[in-house]
Amino acid sequence: AQRVTQPEKLLSVFKGAPVELKCNYSYSGSPELFWYVQYSRQRLQLLLRHISRESIKGFTADLNKGETSFHLKKPFAQEEDSAMYYCALMGTSYGKLTFGQGTILTVHP
Amino acid sequence: NAGVMQNPRHLVRRRGQEARLRCSPMKGHSHVYWYRQLPEEGLKFMVYLQKENIIDESGMPKERFSAEFPKEGPSILRIQQVVRGDSAAYFCASSHNRGENEETQYFGPGTRLLVL
Repeated sequence: AQRVTQPEKLLSVFKGAPVELKCNYSYSGSPELFWYVQYSRQRLQLLLRHISRESIKGFTADLNKGETSFHLKKPFAQEEDSAMYYCALMGTSYGKLTFGQGTILTVHP
Repeated sequence: NAGVMQNPRHLVRRRGQEARLRCSPMKGHSHVYWYRQLPEEGLKFMVYLQKENIIDESGMPKERFSAEFPKEGPSILRIQQVVRGDSAAYFCASSHNRGENEETQYFGPGTRLLVL
């Protein structure tokens, strides 16, 4: 069975502070990991995926197979980063994304 | 491209009625996925469809729920004899090819179903 855990339901930081949203997964094979974001009044959209190894809006995420983690990081948070963030996993069942419960990030001015 | 469209955005039903949720994928997309989000929970996969085919329905409840994606028209998620526990947000996503790792799933705005 595959599972994604986001231990923090709420996360608050001040503008300019570093932010890390935690994601741990459970999967026996080699998964593909994603971060999705939902800004206020907008639909869910892909933020980044680990296979592309890119930085989007200053966010990065590294897949750590030893710790089975895929934490999302940004060195300097901005107010516009305030949103709901979901970590998701895709295993060998193509198309089937398994989501974590989400973390609401609030960046205070 | 208007993106993935879902209607209705909000749906209220009484216990025992039927709910029909529609999803129009993005133009050119032939793969559709349905997810359900219960209150205070993450999105949970329900079903993956291609045109006229169900590819993976491992997340669908065994009874009362069905999904289709006909050759013409939107994908339909149908819930018969709704119960209060069916109250949730139902999200549809689409992709151009099958949901392989490099293929992004684009999400619709969701339909919020409330069962009274």
